[in-house]
Amino acid sequence: DAKTTQPNSMESNEEEPVHLPCNHSTISGTDYIHWYRQLPSQGPEYVIHGLTSNVNNRMASLAIAEDRKSSTLILHRATLRDAAVYYCIPVVNTGFQKLVFGTGTRLLVSP
Amino acid sequence: DGGITQSPKYLFRKEGQNVTLSCEQNLNHDAMYWYRQDPGQGLRLIYYSQIVNDFQKGDIAEGYSVSREKKESFPLTVTSAQKNPTAFYLCASRAGRLAAQETQYFGPGTRLLVL
Repeated sequence: DAKTTQPNSMESNEEEPVHLPCNHSTISGTDYIHWYRQLPSQGPEYVIHGLTSNVNNRMASLAIAEDRKSSTLILHRATLRDAAVYYCIPVVNTGFQKLVFGTGTRLLVSP
Repeated sequence: DGGITQSPKYLFRKEGQNVTLSCEQNLNHDAMYWYRQDPGQGLRLIYYSQIVNDFQKGDIAEGYSVSREKKESFPLTVTSAQKNPTAFYLCASRAGRLAAQETQYFGPGTRLLVL
């Protein structure tokens, strides 16, 4: 399993952009990078994933470094509902999908 | 609405007792998972099933058992052999066709407490 390093916590103000970094220097060439988030006392929810190119969806953008050793989740305008723990997870490209959750980054959003 | 349901929301276990946590999905997904989460920690994989009547141990299967007799159901039994069962238990599913690209959908969780 590829190892990930994320900041323990980050803070943001409401309606400001947030950049959540993740280091995954041991990722293999075919591993996808998934991001999930977990609100307090809830199950995780999918945010976004990518392989090599930057990706956008209605929730966020994912910027992947050219060497794929790091990625950044971008929330364009943070809201109070975005306060959660964000997990960066490399996913091995085999027939079985195993999500390995680290401790993630706790995002605090202030009004 | 399609999704995953888990019951009960809270469950209390007495010493030496087996308890079963329910997980049901109506997403027509082939693969289902059980995870355990301890306070301040990430999720850890207990068991997974890629198809009906088949399941495999995850990283922390000792003291747990599962069954997969129906596609939509994947119950988890916490046996008396699990000495530290107090945790938040999460069930998840995914379609099962494009492993690395697929999303896992999680249920709301069951919080198990030992009396």
